[in-house]
Amino acid sequence: DIQMTQSPSSLSASVGDRVIITCRASQSISRYLNWYQQKPGKAPQLLIYAASTLQSGVPSRFSGSGSGTDFTLAISSLQPEDFATYFCQQTNSAPLTFGGGTKVEI
Amino acid sequence: QVQLVQSGSELKKPGASVKVSCKASGYTFTNYRLNWVRQAPGQGLEWVGWINANTGGPTYAQDFRGRFVFSLDTSVSTAYLQISSLKAEDTAVYYCAREWFGELYNWFDTWGQGTLVTVSS
Repeated sequence: DIQMTQSPSSLSASVGDRVIITCRASQSISRYLNWYQQKPGKAPQLLIYAASTLQSGVPSRFSGSGSGTDFTLAISSLQPEDFATYFCQQTNSAPLTFGGGTKVEI
Repeated sequence: QVQLVQSGSELKKPGASVKVSCKASGYTFTNYRLNWVRQAPGQGLEWVGWINANTGGPTYAQDFRGRFVFSLDTSVSTAYLQISSLKAEDTAVYYCAREWFGELYNWFDTWGQGTLVTVSS
């Protein structure tokens, strides 16, 4: 199974900050890497797919990069609605696995 | 618009069974794979498996083989997750999610709202 390791597990930030979340795969997954945002009591929502493609409707302050084993999610200028938990996911091979999550809080 | 609507919360006793439904609308149901994802209270996301809505063929993650069963009713565009011999540790929110396939890559583009299953005596 491919293990996905996210860091940090939580971070404190302020509105306007630039935030970087990293995700590392235990083996190469090319660009089979997706990012989701989850707010309390809600279902996850797709932010970025194929490592760097922004899902329709997602603000351009979100960006993704990486390939192989190392990936990053960046938020260029944190907005109040961005306080949430972020998960990476690999879809290179079954079992599809998620990172442990990064909680972004004030 | 594309939507997945799940059945409501369930409270079950240990040893009982539960069946969660996921009704799709806004797209051709049999053209996609439907995945199930578990989230225990305060925890991360755990992939349970998928069902091919065209063939009905399921794939289960190792930890979910045996007591977890996926099924379909294509006449009403609905997928089901049945869990038998429930244990307290099955207490979680269960999500269904549609899997979209691009030219090379795939992702979960639409999620149900989640169904809370609580197992308690």
